[in-house]
Amino acid sequence: AQSVTQLGSHVSVSEGALVLLRCNYSSSVPPYLFWYVQYPNQGLQLLLKYTSAATLVKGINGFEAEFKKSETSFHLTKPSAHMSDAAEYFCAVSAPNTGNQFYFGTGTSLTVIP
Amino acid sequence: DSGVTQTPKHLITATGQRVTLRCSPRSGDLSVYWYQQSLDQGLQFLIQYYNGEERAKGNILERFSAQQFPDLHSELNLSSLELGDSALYFCASSPGDRLRRQYFGPGTRLTVL
Repeated sequence: AQSVTQLGSHVSVSEGALVLLRCNYSSSVPPYLFWYVQYPNQGLQLLLKYTSAATLVKGINGFEAEFKKSETSFHLTKPSAHMSDAAEYFCAVSAPNTGNQFYFGTGTSLTVIP
Repeated sequence: DSGVTQTPKHLITATGQRVTLRCSPRSGDLSVYWYQQSLDQGLQFLIQYYNGEERAKGNILERFSAQQFPDLHSELNLSSLELGDSALYFCASSPGDRLRRQYFGPGTRLTVL
């Protein structure tokens, strides 16, 4: 079975500071991993995904994530936060032989302080 | 704009009632996924259809059902509604049956009074 844990339901950073959102997964098979962003009153948008290719994945809006199998982690980072990055971020896991189900973390709300 | 449309945007109804939520996937996408987002449960996968057939089932209650029609639009039917069913219901679509990128619609906010 798959599951996702996002550490920290709320994260605050100053504008221009490093953004680090944590995600740890549990999967009995090699997983596919995703980060989505949700802006207020909108649906989810894919930021990036890991599907067993390069372990460092670059996404949109300057975000990237690194798949670390030994740590079962897929943390999301951005070198310099912008005010427009304030949103809810969701990590998700799925696996190709488990019925195409997606399991989402509980989300991390990112606040950017001017 | 993801290209996925959902109607209605808001729905207010009473306990015990039945509602139908509609989703039109992006042009060419064969898979449709339904999700429920609530404050206490987070984002929960409900069900997936691929080209008209049910392909995966998640935490979907027996009071809920879905279908995908020949034109690939999908409907989620919620019956015997309870207060706890109040949530945002998202539809997402993807090109195929594999674990490709999902494109999410704007959601339908259901309020059960």
